[in-house]
Amino acid sequence: SQKIEQNSEALNIQEGKTATLTCNYTNYSPAYLQWYRQDPGRGPVFLLLIRENEKEKRKERLKVTFDTTLKQSLFHITASQPADSATYLCALLVGGYNKLIFGAGTRLAVHP
Amino acid sequence: DTAVSQTPKYLVTQMGNDKSIKCEQNLGHDTMYWYKQDSKKFLKIMFSYNNKELIINETVPNRFSPKSPDKAHLNLHINSLELGDSAVYFCASSQGAKSNYGYTFGSGTRLTVV
Repeated sequence: SQKIEQNSEALNIQEGKTATLTCNYTNYSPAYLQWYRQDPGRGPVFLLLIRENEKEKRKERLKVTFDTTLKQSLFHITASQPADSATYLCALLVGGYNKLIFGAGTRLAVHP
Repeated sequence: DTAVSQTPKYLVTQMGNDKSIKCEQNLGHDTMYWYKQDSKKFLKIMFSYNNKELIINETVPNRFSPKSPDKAHLNLHINSLELGDSAVYFCASSQGAKSNYGYTFGSGTRLTVV
């Protein structure tokens, strides 16, 4: 069956450390993968996109890697801050490349 | 300026009623979507419209009927509401489904069916 899996347990880290979130998928061949941030009571906000032929993408303190052999993406936030606390969702563009499907998200809590 | 706006933000209604949720985007995007986020926070696509044409219709009960009067609007009408329809419904838009800039989401409509 087709699945997108993210760590269901919350990730708790200390301010200043690097947060690493994982997204694994099975039985999909995505054109690309996206990461979103969602705060309570709000809609998801787009952060980064990485294509199947790209290994790594960076934006300020964010870094995403994409390994199509392992079918995995890693999302890193360096020098994390309490304001980074949120739920982070990965999403794959599949289905003839016109359907964006989401993982269940990982909640990140950054403690001062 | 709100990029993707949904109304209402909250909707409480009784089983069996019919209700509508409206969505408007001012980004000039040509593709709009409805997603449903259930109590487990899982975000699932329901419908997608490109230039007013339906391109994705997931296995959604036909009590749900989207309507796109123009590229900037995508409304969702739900007939005969059931308890299981309680969820947060998100509208989103993008410039094509393969946009390099991701999807822009509204702030959601929390529907509670009692």
